[in-house]
Amino acid sequence: AQKITQTQPGMFVQEKEAVTLDCTYDTSDQSYGLFWYKQPSSGEMIFLIYQGSYDEQNATEGRYSLNFQKARKSANLVISASQLGDSAMYFCAMREEGYTGTASKLTFGTGTRLQVTL
Amino acid sequence: EAEVAQSPRYKITEKSQAVAFWCDPISGHATLYWYRQILGQGPELLVQFQDESVVDDSQLPKDRFSAERLKGVDSTLKIQPAELGDSAMYLCASRAERTQYFGPGTRLLVL
Repeated sequence: AQKITQTQPGMFVQEKEAVTLDCTYDTSDQSYGLFWYKQPSSGEMIFLIYQGSYDEQNATEGRYSLNFQKARKSANLVISASQLGDSAMYFCAMREEGYTGTASKLTFGTGTRLQVTL
Repeated sequence: EAEVAQSPRYKITEKSQAVAFWCDPISGHATLYWYRQILGQGPELLVQFQDESVVDDSQLPKDRFSAERLKGVDSTLKIQPAELGDSAMYLCASRAERTQYFGPGTRLLVL
C-alpha cells in the first residue's frame, strides 16, 4: 500500500528566505507520480508541482522546486524567496501511474503548516 | 481559467438529516473524484468516476453515502442519514492527464 509521511507538523520561515518541506513515500510500484498541493485557510487544494518517478530532472515551477531522491524515497518541496501569501498547509501526495480509466486516486500525507513571518 | 465548481460552500445540518453536495468539473475532464478531509488530516478518496461509471468506491460508506454522475458531467454526493462523524471538508476534483484540480470544497458541520 502507498504511504506518504510528512514529519513536520509546522514550520516557520522569514519572508524572502527559502524553506524545505519534507516528504517521504513508500510504494512497491515502479511507476508513480508525486505531487505537492497548497491549501490556504479557504480550503481549496492548489496544485503546485509534479514529479514523475522516471523523470531524471527535478521538477521546477517558478519559486517551487522538488528535490527528488528516488533511492531515499523522498520528494521534498523547496520554496524560494518566501512570501507572506505562502502561509498555508502544504500536502505531499502520490499516485500510481495507471492507465486512464483505472483507479488513480491520490494518497496524501498529513500536511505541514507553513507560517511566513516578517 | 477553468475551475472546478462546488456548492454549497458551507452546510450545517442536524444528525439523521440528509445532505447533498454538487460538483461541476472542468469542462472536458472525464475523471472526477470526491475526497473527504477530516480536520488535521489529508484528503482521502471516497469515490472516483470515469465518465458516468464508478471506478473506485472502495472507501465509500455505502450504507449512508451515495454518489452519481448520471450524464458524465456534474456529480452529486449524498449522505443519508448524516452522523456527527461526517463533519469534514468534502472536496471534488477533476483530472486532466496527470494532474487533479480541486474545487473550493464544501465544509459540512453535523450537529
